[in-house]
Amino acid sequence: KAGVTQTPRYLIKTRGQQVTLSCSPISGHRSVSWYQQTPGQGLQFLFEYFSETQRNKGNFPGRFSGRQFSNSRSEMNVSTLELGDSALYLCASSLVLGSSDTQYFGPGTRLTVL
Amino acid sequence: TQLLEQSPQFLSIQEGENLTVYCNSSSVFSSLQWYRQEPGEGPVLLVTVVTGGEVKKLKRLTFQFGDARKDSSLHITAAQPGDTGLYLCAAYMEYGNKLVFGAGTILRVKS
Repeated sequence: KAGVTQTPRYLIKTRGQQVTLSCSPISGHRSVSWYQQTPGQGLQFLFEYFSETQRNKGNFPGRFSGRQFSNSRSEMNVSTLELGDSALYLCASSLVLGSSDTQYFGPGTRLTVL
Repeated sequence: TQLLEQSPQFLSIQEGENLTVYCNSSSVFSSLQWYRQEPGEGPVLLVTVVTGGEVKKLKRLTFQFGDARKDSSLHITAAQPGDTGLYLCAAYMEYGNKLVFGAGTILRVKS
């Protein structure tokens, strides 16, 4: 069974631009969570989607948004990029809703904001 | 302030040595997870501990959940270069319904 895939793997943007990251969960998994990982703050929860609805949200500004499609694939969008948005963005999928279920992480998208 | 405090932050040891990584909190958790993350990859779940005092073994790795379910430790026996990576502990927060991670311990095992 294929794992979680994320595209693109690397991205370079400039301040003020927007970016869209994509995540394809493991086949059959209906929940997708997004995390931001930085050296200073570590791994922080962004949001979780299940059945095309955002179920939980972390403490991030409204510039960070996401959506989930009927096939469970998910995208996250960051608008008006800031230098501090440079990070590894990780997507994780699980069978059911709720972070207590085992999450399987993708390799991440490394975003650099110049 | 991190909800989960991990120590040490960095560990550089020789192959064959033993080591212990700690994960502490003032909160009580229903379960706690340990992950390993290698460069260029996402975290991979190693184990979930659920019961206070529980000890789980995964080859040379031994995981323990504190009796009060506030802390956990990861002990590696006879470390090998393949153990190199970032070790993260994580706990499920029912308030906010999210997984919270510690800052991690970077382990480097030199041959």
